[in-house]
Amino acid sequence: GQQVQQSPTSLVLQEGENAELQCNFSTSLNSMQWFYQRPGGSLISVFYNPSGTKQSGRLTSTTVIKERRSSLHISSSQITDSGTYLCAMGASSFSKLVFGQGTSLSVVP
Amino acid sequence: DAGVTQTPRHEVAEKGQTIILKCEPVSGHNDLFWYRQTKIQGLELLSYFRSKSLMEDGGAFKDRFKAEMLNSSFSTLKIQPTEPKDSAVYLCASSDNYEQYFGPGTRLTVL
Repeated sequence: GQQVQQSPTSLVLQEGENAELQCNFSTSLNSMQWFYQRPGGSLISVFYNPSGTKQSGRLTSTTVIKERRSSLHISSSQITDSGTYLCAMGASSFSKLVFGQGTSLSVVP
Repeated sequence: DAGVTQTPRHEVAEKGQTIILKCEPVSGHNDLFWYRQTKIQGLELLSYFRSKSLMEDGGAFKDRFKAEMLNSSFSTLKIQPTEPKDSAVYLCASSDNYEQYFGPGTRLTVL
């Protein structure tokens, strides 16, 4: 079946440092989404990015379909960026997603 | 536009009880999903509806879990009977194409 591997599993940053989160897919995809989740919170869509590069403020997502991978770059990290980042892919004609296990990010002063 | 709404936000049940969780998708979205999230298993798909038709019922969750979508703006997830291992956060999401939008979730505790 379809699999989604995220790395790293966890990450600790000093405030102001940059981070690169990775997502690798076992099959070709036709949709790809990054989510953010605070402890005890729901999933907030950060990017819907099935191909190419998208930027929003300090966040940049790049999806390379041929290489079956997507990345999320966080620049100048802030304490409020702390939480879990999940990537998810879709491979069918429907909108069903398969999720990775997430990267737990902690930004410290 | 209102996002995905879920009620209740918290539910405490005794083992063996029947509980019903509710979800209202974003208006106009054709796809609706129910997920369960735990620290150990992560996100697991329970049910998937497209235009009110059940497309996937989550395999292992069939016996005690039943999701229904009687109209395009309302869905329920019934767990009957509940077991302590059902304690988790239950999330509802909707989609108009491929991008999914999640509700706030219901935290279920089964004693």
